[in-house]
Amino acid sequence: DAGITQSPRHKVTETGTPVTLRCHQTENHRYMYWYRQDPGHGLRLIHYSYGVKDTDKGEVSDGYSVSRSKTEDFLLTLESATSSQTSVYFCAIGQPDQPLHFGNGTRLTVT
Amino acid sequence: GENVEQHPSTLSVQEGDSAVIKCTYSDSASNYFPWYKQELGKGPQLIIDIRSNVGEKKDQRIAVTLNKTAKHFSLHITETQPEDSAVYFCAASISNYQLIWGAGTKLIIKP
Repeated sequence: DAGITQSPRHKVTETGTPVTLRCHQTENHRYMYWYRQDPGHGLRLIHYSYGVKDTDKGEVSDGYSVSRSKTEDFLLTLESATSSQTSVYFCAIGQPDQPLHFGNGTRLTVT
Repeated sequence: GENVEQHPSTLSVQEGDSAVIKCTYSDSASNYFPWYKQELGKGPQLIIDIRSNVGEKKDQRIAVTLNKTAKHFSLHITETQPEDSAVYFCAASISNYQLIWGAGTKLIIKP
């Protein structure tokens, strides 16, 4: 398995609080992605990165920000969590148009 | 926006029988079509992919067919086994090299 670690694996937080999810990879891969997974929607891209300090928005980026200060770490921040952001979040690495390797996800509940 | 429709949402087949999952896509520029398998509590894992210059691809019990004219592609699993039980996702690349995902199919293999 590709070396991708997501932390935390589970988190419960209250509406309005900031939350940061971490993705750490040991593959030295240039491209990293954050997806959210919700029933009936498959996976939807939030943000992606194509290098250190190089990021771009995906299809559901509102309410989320990202940072990539090192090749191995890609952080996803919810500045002020809302109940609609309750979801399972997956980090992935991989070249565009090539197979992606996913972490095991972070289950986030916003109460 | 671009979308991928996946059917059926749930598929129950007898062990040893074949299973077929179908997807249609909207972006005529799509040229990469992966299929992922997701087991409970884990991230999706690539099982097979196909590119637009190929009509069919096989890997042991798994095959994918692509009809670019009709903009649909299908996953075929033959001689199904209990370990094939999982959720399967199709996806299609869109013009900026990102993926749009289907909503998923829960495959149940009955003993």
